[in-house]
Amino acid sequence: GENVEQHPSTLSVQEGDSAVIKCTYSDSASNYFPWYKQELGKRPQLIIDIRSNVGEKKDQRIAVTLNKTAKHFSLHITETQPEDSAVYFCAASRNSGGSNYKLTFGKGTLLTVNP
Amino acid sequence: EAGVTQFPSHSVIEKGQTVTLRCDPISGHDNLYWYRRVMGKEIKFLLHFVKESKQDESGMPNNRFLAERTGGTYSTLKVQPAELEDSGVYFCASSQGPGSGMEKLFFGSGTQLSVL
Repeated sequence: GENVEQHPSTLSVQEGDSAVIKCTYSDSASNYFPWYKQELGKRPQLIIDIRSNVGEKKDQRIAVTLNKTAKHFSLHITETQPEDSAVYFCAASRNSGGSNYKLTFGKGTLLTVNP
Repeated sequence: EAGVTQFPSHSVIEKGQTVTLRCDPISGHDNLYWYRRVMGKEIKFLLHFVKESKQDESGMPNNRFLAERTGGTYSTLKVQPAELEDSGVYFCASSQGPGSGMEKLFFGSGTQLSVL
């Protein structure tokens, strides 16, 4: 089955700096890669996603890059703010029949943005 | 629009007892998923419903876990009898389907289950 590795497990940055979180996956058939943000005590929320036919996607201060050959994808947050502090999860999936998008998650990265 | 809701938010039970978790997906979402996160580890897939049918239950740990989605609306996940290793946060998620958008999962806030 799919295996997703995520690094680092913790990341501390100063406000205004950039943060990068990296994930690798094992199943070359995976074709959908979402990123979720979970603030303390709240639900995981989808912040950005990318499909395997695209190499990069950007949404304001957040961007995701995908390297299919190397089977890794990364989350980039620029101009970090204290409210970006949260646990970030990467995930990978492929349509395994019908509408089943079974996500395989990384272990999460605790991002702390210091004012 | 109401999001995915889960009940209870916390449950503390003793080993050997039974617990039932409930999930109400976003209205109109055919796909409903259960996931679990054990402390410090990744969020793991348990099973997937399409309407009232189980599409994939390959992640269910063992036969102490029973999930149902009668009528294709809300879902329940029962653990009977509970063991210590069942402790964790149980997340429910839903998505539209079929068609565009079905891959975007919307999560509930989870149920924190503690088995003592």
